[in-house]
Amino acid sequence: DAGITQSPRYKITETGRQVTLMCHQTWSHSYMFWYRQDLGHGLRLIYYSAAADITDKGEVPDGYVVSRSKTENFPLTLESATRSQTSVYFCASSETGNYNEQFFGPGTRLTVL
Amino acid sequence: AQSVTQLDSHVSVSEGTPVLLRCNYSSSYSPSLFWYVQHPNKGLQLLLKYTSAATLVKGINGFEAEFKKSETSFHLTKPSAHMSDAAEYFCVVSSYGQNFVFGPGTRLSVLP
Repeated sequence: DAGITQSPRYKITETGRQVTLMCHQTWSHSYMFWYRQDLGHGLRLIYYSAAADITDKGEVPDGYVVSRSKTENFPLTLESATRSQTSVYFCASSETGNYNEQFFGPGTRLTVL
Repeated sequence: AQSVTQLDSHVSVSEGTPVLLRCNYSSSYSPSLFWYVQHPNKGLQLLLKYTSAATLVKGINGFEAEFKKSETSFHLTKPSAHMSDAAEYFCVVSSYGQNFVFGPGTRLSVLP
């Protein structure tokens, strides 16, 4: 089915471990985004990508790495997880730019022990 | 710089009564404004958007919002609440070349 998917949906890991969250979209949208959602903060932008091989930092990029070798995939890596990175992570995509409608995935709930 | 204020962290209404969720924004540019809804343990779904066309915007499920530039507001309304409207609602501001900025959210409870 067309849409935007995230995997895993739930992840528990330990401090210091590397974790990769996957995001895949089937619309061929140019723009993709990673957000984290924490109580009282709404969603905050971690990284975004305007096209394959083009990425840029958002509001809270520290501790995260992204890549985009293919238009449809936008993985987010926590190189050395910390407890403060416990959060719900949402991937989103947009056809025409970061000022127009974004379509969101179902989210990944990450717990760092 | 852009910012969004959602004036109520929690709103509680009775089923069948009107809903008002308030949003004020700040933007240095001509803004695009959005309302998203998030049901428990789900992703975000677009309710409606304003992108410099008509100031009264109609969305899905009977929701609408009015863009008032003089008041820098974009309040969300619905004439009659339904139990299925219980969710978290986010107001979002953006503009050309600028990223989305989310408000902190308003949790809507609908009482039977």
